[in-house]
Amino acid sequence: NAGVTQTPKFQVLKTGQSMTLQCAQDMNHNSMYWYRQDPGMGLRLIYYSASEGTTDKGEVPNGYNVSRLNKREFSLRLESAAPSQTSVYFCASSELRGSQETQYFGPGTRLLVL
Amino acid sequence: AQSVTQLDSQVPVFEEAPVELRCNYSSSVSVYLFWYVQYPNQGLQLLLKYLSGSTLVKGINGFEAEFNKSQTSFHLRKPSVHISDTAEYFCAVTTGMNTGFQKLVFGTGTRLLVSP
Repeated sequence: NAGVTQTPKFQVLKTGQSMTLQCAQDMNHNSMYWYRQDPGMGLRLIYYSASEGTTDKGEVPNGYNVSRLNKREFSLRLESAAPSQTSVYFCASSELRGSQETQYFGPGTRLLVL
Repeated sequence: AQSVTQLDSQVPVFEEAPVELRCNYSSSVSVYLFWYVQYPNQGLQLLLKYLSGSTLVKGINGFEAEFNKSQTSFHLRKPSVHISDTAEYFCAVTTGMNTGFQKLVFGTGTRLLVSP
């Protein structure tokens, strides 16, 4: 039982390049989330998926797209990377979509955009 | 809208000393409160959460937190810290309303540095 896994762990991009961050969970959770973590700002929600087949914007969605490929996988795509997207990206999942649910986090992807 | 304030960006403490990490929140509705820990180069892990009932909540690794509605606080405490407690700690809040997803609002984090 690996929990939440993310690939890649590290990535360096040039401005304008595109890439997809992959996330998978093996806990049969319904809800999945993408956050970014920046120094002094905590974690901010980019997109979330309450259930398979649905996605919605979070607090900072601009410059990103997501795909809930199936119940296990939720990917985050940067179509044209910008230096402002240099950050650590975390994927999380929770069993249900209620407010009481615990979110389980992956180890993160460290992205540097030059 | 909710917000979370963690006033201390860094808390240095000696091993076996007690520690308190402060968290204050603002919300016009009832809230659920969480403390997460992030060890170096890892993701976040739930320490404890307050949903309802007893205001003193016990979590993993000997941590506990007390919900104080009048003070709008949810401070994290440990009576005796260990070197292995060195990590970043995040307080988070969400409202009690099921809006279809759990919108967690995180504080900016407090780095706990435990030295021998």
